[in-house]
Amino acid sequence: QVQVVQSGPEVKKPGASVKVSCKVSGNPLSEVSMHWVRQVSGQGLEWMAGFDPESDVTIYAQKFQGRVTVTEDTSTDTAYMELISLTSEDTAVYYCAVFLLQRVYDKIWGDWRFPKYFEYWGQGTQVTASS
Amino acid sequence: EIVMTQSPATLSVSPGDRVTLSCRASQSLNNNLAWYQQQPGQPPRLLIYDASTTATGFPGRFSGSGSGTEFTLTISNLQSEDLAVYYCQQYSSWPRTFGQGTRVDFK
Repeated sequence: QVQVVQSGPEVKKPGASVKVSCKVSGNPLSEVSMHWVRQVSGQGLEWMAGFDPESDVTIYAQKFQGRVTVTEDTSTDTAYMELISLTSEDTAVYYCAVFLLQRVYDKIWGDWRFPKYFEYWGQGTQVTASS
Repeated sequence: EIVMTQSPATLSVSPGDRVTLSCRASQSLNNNLAWYQQQPGQPPRLLIYDASTTATGFPGRFSGSGSGTEFTLTISNLQSEDLAVYYCQQYSSWPRTFGQGTRVDFK
């Protein structure tokens, strides 16, 4: 059973940067695809970035290109998401969400595919950008 | 980018009701669609994947259907613990996108 534990709440001034961490247990970080999703209070879910196992690269949402960087430390099974140039609009709960890099049989296509839905979620990290 | 549109925004229900939530995609997803349940103060929880497979831990009163661009989540015999916001999400192409959510609450 994969568990994902995130770092604690952060308060930052506008213009600063924040780095949120997600520690994976139950499986090593190298065996999961890590994704980052945020949620502004009272609003919906917004995907920011994630690892594509088909191309072996991290994909970023165009909205966050140049402002978000995702890194991984496999020695500690911890992933990081850094967001720079914060504004008040970045105040949100940030989640990490993962799926296992284990192919499963797809009945419809008749082949083995990665389960690209987010099966495991962290508890969320509140990031507040305020002067 | 695939746009996901959910309806209705809010559903006011009574215990024991059968409810249907809709999700429409701007492009065909085949069956690459998931539903998540989010209760207040909690992270989302995977409910349905591949459009119609119920995730571990959810009872049989939850079911998903659809393919292509039209998808449905049905909750039969609604219970108080089912009051939550439900999101659909496509994983057919990049960027991954979510619907805006449907809130299910009691009348």
